[in-house]
Amino acid sequence: DAKTTQPTSMDCAEGRAANLPCNHSTISGNEYVYWYRQIHSQGPQYIIHGLKNNETNEMASLIITEDRKSSTLILPHATLRDTAVYYCIVRVAQRGIQGAQKLVFGQGTRLTINP
Amino acid sequence: GAVVSQHPSWVICKSGTSVKIECRSLDFQATTMFWYRQFPKQSLMLMATSNEGSKATYEQGVEKDKFLINHASLTLSTLTVTSAHPEDSSFYICSASQFQETQYFGPGTRLLVL
Repeated sequence: DAKTTQPTSMDCAEGRAANLPCNHSTISGNEYVYWYRQIHSQGPQYIIHGLKNNETNEMASLIITEDRKSSTLILPHATLRDTAVYYCIVRVAQRGIQGAQKLVFGQGTRLTINP
Repeated sequence: GAVVSQHPSWVICKSGTSVKIECRSLDFQATTMFWYRQFPKQSLMLMATSNEGSKATYEQGVEKDKFLINHASLTLSTLTVTSAHPEDSSFYICSASQFQETQYFGPGTRLLVL
């Protein structure tokens, strides 16, 4: 089962910042938080990931709370092309393969950017 | 960078036939590749994980004799759906990573079994 919970859907106006929350209260100390998005009928696109510190790249910013039990993905200036399902995922150890990690996808947040 | 391709992008086949889907990492060496399946309006479900040169590890409930996975090189993994039936119709997506780092996903293959 996925270790994260996210809102089912969100709306945001074009040009505004989109803030997508994620709860991961059972996360372990060495487990990373990953964010991907999936535009209809395409494979997921990697956005960003982090462990403890806040992270920023050309696509987004990731804010992780000090206790690591929740995080927020920020798209600073949302465009219509940002409409997608956003997945917050805790990467977990994989049984049976030493050192291996896997992603367990939840239902994600369907983000709609409105003109 | 980090581009993963899949071929074919869609395939239609008759019930009882086998279908092979290829997954390639174009600009990096993928020590690990993953295969997922996604049914309409559902999330991605991990089917199996394969390390280059090793047998794949299948998730619980996935039939290893039906979904054959080969990861013979650092840039290519294949998924063969054997004796496909209509219930196998789905969106199959692969991902690739190098040394357990970030997974990068392919564009997916839509399979329709008639």
